[in-house]
Amino acid sequence: AQSVTQLDSQVPVFEEAPVELRCNYSSSVSVYLFWYVQYPNQGLQLLLKYLSGSTLVKGINGFEAEFNKSQTSFHLRKPSVHISDTAEYFCAVSDRGGNKLVFGAGTILRVKS
Amino acid sequence: DVKVTQSSRYLVKRTGEKVFLECVQDMDHENMFWYRQDPGLGLRLIYFSYDVKMKEKGDIPEGYSVSREKKERFSLILESASTNQTSMYLCASSLSSGPFYEQYFGPGTRLTVT
Repeated sequence: AQSVTQLDSQVPVFEEAPVELRCNYSSSVSVYLFWYVQYPNQGLQLLLKYLSGSTLVKGINGFEAEFNKSQTSFHLRKPSVHISDTAEYFCAVSDRGGNKLVFGAGTILRVKS
Repeated sequence: DVKVTQSSRYLVKRTGEKVFLECVQDMDHENMFWYRQDPGLGLRLIYFSYDVKMKEKGDIPEGYSVSREKKERFSLILESASTNQTSMYLCASSLSSGPFYEQYFGPGTRLTVT
């Protein structure tokens, strides 16, 4: 069975600082990987996804993530965060044959001024 | 823009009541999903449907059932609500099957069972 581990439950960071949200997955087969964001009182929104090809994936709002197969990781990064990036971020995995997403527990990013 | 709407943002029910959560999407999507979101556990799939009247169990179907009589509407049913079903419930839809198709989420229904 697949699983996703988000290593930090909360990440506080000052505005304009860089941030990395960590995600590790376990799977015996090739996977697709996703990052979703949930702003307060809203549903989830897709930030970016890795399906194949380049291991560096760029998403919306200046976020990017790097797929590392040897380390089974898919960490999310942003070089300079804004107050408006305060939200909960979820990493998710889907196997190649499946329609189902398995989500991590989420990481709350708190951007301070 | 895809729009997924859920009938209530907040709902309070008593133990033993039958509860209906409704979800509607306006983009003719084939697939619809119900998730439960709990702090520290992320989202867990309850049920999904890939066509009208078709359904498949997710990871935590116990205590829930679903109904999809029309393509745009997917209902989650708690036959006899219990306090351990107090949670945030999120509905999602996607155009078709497979991870190439993005899942679009509704705003969620926060259900409290007392």
